Amino acid sequence: DAGVTQSPTHLIKTRGQQVTLRCSPKSGHDTVSWYQQALGQGPQFIFQYYEEEERQRGNFPDRFSGHQFPNYSSELNVNALLLGDSALYLCASSMLTLAGDYNEQFFGPGTRLTVL
Amino acid sequence: AQSVTQLDSHVSVSEGTPVLLRCNYSSSYSPSLFWYVQHPNKGLQLLLKYTSAATLVKGINGFEAEFKKSETSFHLTKPSAHMSDAAEYFCVVSAGYGQNFVFGPGTRLSVLP
Repeated sequence: DAGVTQSPTHLIKTRGQQVTLRCSPKSGHDTVSWYQQALGQGPQFIFQYYEEEERQRGNFPDRFSGHQFPNYSSELNVNALLLGDSALYLCASSMLTLAGDYNEQFFGPGTRLTVL
Repeated sequence: AQSVTQLDSHVSVSEGTPVLLRCNYSSSYSPSLFWYVQHPNKGLQLLLKYTSAATLVKGINGFEAEFKKSETSFHLTKPSAHMSDAAEYFCVVSAGYGQNFVFGPGTRLSVLP
């Protein structure tokens, strides 16, 4: 089992550009969450996808959007990049337990985005 | 709403001495609580989790944490620090079903020889 994988590893963009980050969940997981981790801070929740729908969303502007595919993989898109979008973007996958709870999230290594 | 406070941004201990990383949480529901570790240039790894079973939770690499509802705390401990424990540690709270994870700001643990 490859675990959660993310691509690319690193990315450099300029202000105003658009970026797409990709995530493949752990085998058997049906839910993908995205987090932004700025330097020296804890990860901040962006949104969560389940059954190809956005289930929850954190306090992020509409410039941040996503998608989940039928194979449960996911993309994070950021439009009109700002300098402040520079961060490590983490993808996490999970699955519903019999209790109806998301018992644990497994994280990928992240994509380091630098906006110049 | 949920929130997490990690009382120390940096903790430094000597190898072989005990580790205590403090975490306090706020939650409107009965929470699930987690500790994750992040080594440089590595992904987040789960150390342990509390999900309303035993209040004393044992995790990997000799770490454990005790859920104290009256104190709204979930402190992480280890009897004897190892050099390989040097990393960033995050306390995480979740309200449960379908709810996202809320991370604390992190505590950087340094282990001195």
